[in-house]
Amino acid sequence: AQKITQTQPGMFVQEKEAVTLDCTYDTSDPSYGLFWYKQPSSGEMIFLIYQGSYDQQNATEGRYSLNFQKARKSANLVISASQLGDSAMYFCAMREEAGKSTFGDGTTLTVKP
Amino acid sequence: NAGVTQTPKFQVLKTGQSMTLQCAQDMNHNSMYWYRQDPGMGLRLIYYSASEGTTDKGEVPNGYNVSRLNKREFSLRLESAAPSQTSVYFCASSEDNPGHEQYFGPGTRLTVT
Repeated sequence: AQKITQTQPGMFVQEKEAVTLDCTYDTSDPSYGLFWYKQPSSGEMIFLIYQGSYDQQNATEGRYSLNFQKARKSANLVISASQLGDSAMYFCAMREEAGKSTFGDGTTLTVKP
Repeated sequence: NAGVTQTPKFQVLKTGQSMTLQCAQDMNHNSMYWYRQDPGMGLRLIYYSASEGTTDKGEVPNGYNVSRLNKREFSLRLESAAPSQTSVYFCASSEDNPGHEQYFGPGTRLTVT
């Protein structure tokens, strides 16, 4: 069974608008971490934001916030005030206590001027 | 600090040839990972190592072997390359517990003809 599901292969957003990228996950571990990474066309992997399974508040990092709904097992990334440089592939990932790490298939975000 | 380094950056192999991808990190991390990324897809875990001297299979280990030579280095070996192993290979490292992000190398683009 897929542990990380990203249902939006591609998304478009107008510059300066907000966009939500969806991510659902599946685990039976009580302790886990959820991450979002950005992969621009140059290919490197850039860490954006982290949410721990025990965190009570949603994580925020600048223009990035993570909408964590534990009961629904969702960890959506919200990017506010989109910029042209936000055009990239975005991956949701999970680390479980046993050490394994799982990535979703990614969402390609295109920011339109 | 160099972070995570990978060699080589590019490689072309003929079917049946063998090669070793090298990875090193200078952040004193215990955990290290090898992933492959096929075009337009997410990262799939090949092997990971939670500490020096230990390795575990990930999602797609067939056709690969790994060696955790010491705390810094984690190599990936293809004994008999196949066209299906054409991919971009990423090495990553992280702190131990699920609450820490992974640091990625720049990737190795491997083509098997």
